[in-house]
Amino acid sequence: DQQVKQNSPSLSVQEGRISILNCDYTNSMFDYFLWYKKYPAEGPTFLISISSIKDKNEDGRFTVFLNKSAKHLSLHIVPSQPGDSAVYFCAPLPNNDMRFGAGTRLTVKP
Amino acid sequence: GAVVSQHPSWVICKSGTSVKIECRSLDFQATTMFWYRQFPKQSLMLMATSNEGSKATYEQGVEKDKFLINHASLTLSTLTVTSAHPEDSSFYICSARPTGTYGYTFGSGTRLTVV
Repeated sequence: DQQVKQNSPSLSVQEGRISILNCDYTNSMFDYFLWYKKYPAEGPTFLISISSIKDKNEDGRFTVFLNKSAKHLSLHIVPSQPGDSAVYFCAPLPNNDMRFGAGTRLTVKP
Repeated sequence: GAVVSQHPSWVICKSGTSVKIECRSLDFQATTMFWYRQFPKQSLMLMATSNEGSKATYEQGVEKDKFLINHASLTLSTLTVTSAHPEDSSFYICSARPTGTYGYTFGSGTRLTVV
């Protein structure tokens, strides 16, 4: 039972534009959400998080939005930069392990 | 911040040999660590949960006799790929969660190539 889904395997965006990465979940017990970024041949690195008591968290160019009623969260990157090209994973908590969504590969074109 | 050190970063071994990958939490204790495997262009697949002082919990479909996990201390978990075969070639990553934090910290990964 996959509790986290990232339905877009890839996304291509022009530099300077907005990138929007989506994540859907099914378990209403999740109360904290993490986004990780992963470059090839490297481990994931933490990017931004959001608590379920909020609907928005912003950190520089990165903003995560949470819609609890829809069980949906999204990561906005604006303006997108070529260095943002990576695979992005969302991960919910609590979770006895870290099961990731399939990830979305973002490509930012110069 | 919390750091997880993973070694080696890459290894090439002959088919039939065993390879050990180490995962260390450098500035925190981790009673639980996680091991993942990533195939090209695919998501991270959780292989097993490593528990300090007890047996690891393996995900369905993961051969526990092939992927031996030892978590002998609060700062070290090891994954040994036994009798490696070319199909075991992959990118292996470990992670741990510092107590009192929400975020998980990942190692830098190990690229295993079995020839």
